Amino acid sequence: AQTVTQSQPEMSVQEAETVTLSCTYDTSESDYYLFWYKQPPSRQMILVIRQEAYKQQNATENRFSVNFQKAAKSFSLKISDSQLGDAAMYFCAYRSAFVVMFTDKLIFGTGTRLQVFP
Amino acid sequence: EAGVAQSPRYKIIEKRQSVAFWCNPISGHATLYWYQQILGQGPKLLIQFQNNGVVDDSQLPKDRFSAERLKGVDSTLKIQPAKLEDSAVYLCASSLGAYTGELFFGEGSRLTVL
Repeated sequence: AQTVTQSQPEMSVQEAETVTLSCTYDTSESDYYLFWYKQPPSRQMILVIRQEAYKQQNATENRFSVNFQKAAKSFSLKISDSQLGDAAMYFCAYRSAFVVMFTDKLIFGTGTRLQVFP
Repeated sequence: EAGVAQSPRYKIIEKRQSVAFWCNPISGHATLYWYQQILGQGPKLLIQFQNNGVVDDSQLPKDRFSAERLKGVDSTLKIQPAKLEDSAVYLCASSLGAYTGELFFGEGSRLTVL
């Protein structure tokens, strides 16, 4: 079974600085997808960035980028030029690329709470 | 475009009582998911629907939880009887189809069982 581990329960960063959130995962599959989701307090979870395992190039979305190390099974999120609105819970998630009876469930880590200080 | 709607946002019940949560997905989204998010843990899939058929309910405690998606649109998740360990946020999400698109989540329904 696949597992996702986020070893940093909380992180903090100064506004305009850069912060990196860590995620490791365990799987025997060769093809899969990895995601970072953001969950602000009492608001819905939204997708920040996704990475296909077959792509060597790291995904980027504006101020958000990932460092995907497939051999090490590591998938960290870097937030550059941090803003107050980045404060939220961040979840790393895994999804198999193999279609089995149409199920495409996400397997989530336990999350990292990011605080941003002015 | 309207997002995923869930109600109620908050519910407090005594153990052994029953509760129901409602979800209306984004229009046109064929796939609907219910996730359970216990405090301090990541969300866990309870059940996934493709249109009005169940494609994965392997982690649904079927002795007390039930879910349906009539007419392939909105869905209800019921817990009867509730236990203390059911205290959690119940997240509904939808997508255009399995493996075809991004998941869109609702704001969740927070359940407290006393």
